[in-house]
Amino acid sequence: GDSVTQMEGPVTLSEEAFLTINCTYTATGYPSLFWYVQYPGEGLQLLLKATKADDKGSNKGFEATYRKETTSFHLEKGSVQVSDSAVYFCALKHGGSQGNLIFGKGTKLSVKP
Amino acid sequence: NAGVTQTPKFQVLKTGQSMTLQCAQDMNHEYMSWYRQDPGMGLRLIHYSVGAGITDQGEVPNGYNVSRSTTEDFPLRLLSAAPSQTSVYFCASSYQAGSTDTQYFGPGTRLTVL
Repeated sequence: GDSVTQMEGPVTLSEEAFLTINCTYTATGYPSLFWYVQYPGEGLQLLLKATKADDKGSNKGFEATYRKETTSFHLEKGSVQVSDSAVYFCALKHGGSQGNLIFGKGTKLSVKP
Repeated sequence: NAGVTQTPKFQVLKTGQSMTLQCAQDMNHEYMSWYRQDPGMGLRLIHYSVGAGITDQGEVPNGYNVSRSTTEDFPLRLLSAAPSQTSVYFCASSYQAGSTDTQYFGPGTRLTVL
């Protein structure tokens, strides 16, 4: 079945460091890909998404490109802030009767001042 | 526009007790779902609904019931709580079940079963 694999955390960075969180997927067909963020004590919020191959999603300085050839959707940010400390989830989604999100296990990011 | 709301925020149950977790959305979304979040497991789908009167099972449905009598509400029922159901529960909704439709999540209910 479909699955999403994320790099293990936790990830600890200093403020202004470069961030990469790796995400790869296994899926039939052509799913959409998502990154969600969960701040402490809160629900999940959509960070960005890409709906077809070579699409780049971006938001709040974060970017991820849908790479069909490597089945990847890595999350990047050029300069992280303390406020980016959160858990990040990669997910995929098909449509129709299979329109449910399939999540990776999440990567906890801590950014130190 | 309140988005997706969940009640209660916290709940403690004893083994064998029953309860209903409430979920409502005011965005006229057809698709609604319930997930549970456990440490190191990510989020796992419990039940989902593609419209009023239609529900189906997800990855981990045992011990949970749902119904969808209105577009707005999608309650999750625990008939006889067990310690293995200690978790954080999230409700989500999207316009439809399409692959590009963004799912919006509620703030969660933290449930402890003693």
